[in-house]
Amino acid sequence: DVKVTQSSRYLVKRTGEKVFLECVQDMDHENMFWYRQDPGLGLRLIYFSYDVKMKEKGDIPEGYSVSREKKERFSLILESASTNQTSMYLCASSFRDEQYFGPGTRLTVT
Amino acid sequence: AQSVTQPDIHITVSEGASLELRCNYSYGATPYLFWYVQSPGQGLQLLLKYFSGDTLVQGIKGFEAEFKRSQSSFNLRKPSVHWSDAAEYFCAVGPSIHNNAGNMLTFGGGTRLMVKP
Repeated sequence: DVKVTQSSRYLVKRTGEKVFLECVQDMDHENMFWYRQDPGLGLRLIYFSYDVKMKEKGDIPEGYSVSREKKERFSLILESASTNQTSMYLCASSFRDEQYFGPGTRLTVT
Repeated sequence: AQSVTQPDIHITVSEGASLELRCNYSYGATPYLFWYVQSPGQGLQLLLKYFSGDTLVQGIKGFEAEFKRSQSSFNLRKPSVHWSDAAEYFCAVGPSIHNNAGNMLTFGGGTRLMVKP
């Protein structure tokens, strides 16, 4: 079974803090994705990566950056967290056109 | 730009009743279509997918979906709903041409299903 794990299920951070969300997949997938999920808006793509050190912006990259130093790990970075970044963050990896999702990290910024 | 619309934000059905969740998409080429389910506190799990061929596709947990090109729809159905089907359901569309963006999906806003006993 494909496994995508995320470092935290719940996270509470203060405004202005630097936040790291980690995602690891164990299936040697080329592509990895970060989404945020908000009620009524579905999933919106923040960034994706199609290879080590390669990344492309998604629909809502402002306020976020990413890092992919190893194939299995894709990190989402909030340089200076703000309250409007309170959300559920979902990581996914993909093989061909099927995406496999992690359990999500619910981030609250106070 | 591609888009996915799920017109129903919430749906409530009685256990044992039939279910249809609607999905309409806008896409310039032949789409790949997906339905995902998200149980409370969980990530998304793939229910079924359509790439080509037979327009009626079968998925896990007794779900099926029908691709109707003329209506730009990909509705999800189940003949008899179980209490464990209560969850949020997402329709998604992806490109059928593979490039650096080849795996990108566009998701609908989701439909939350509640099941009455």
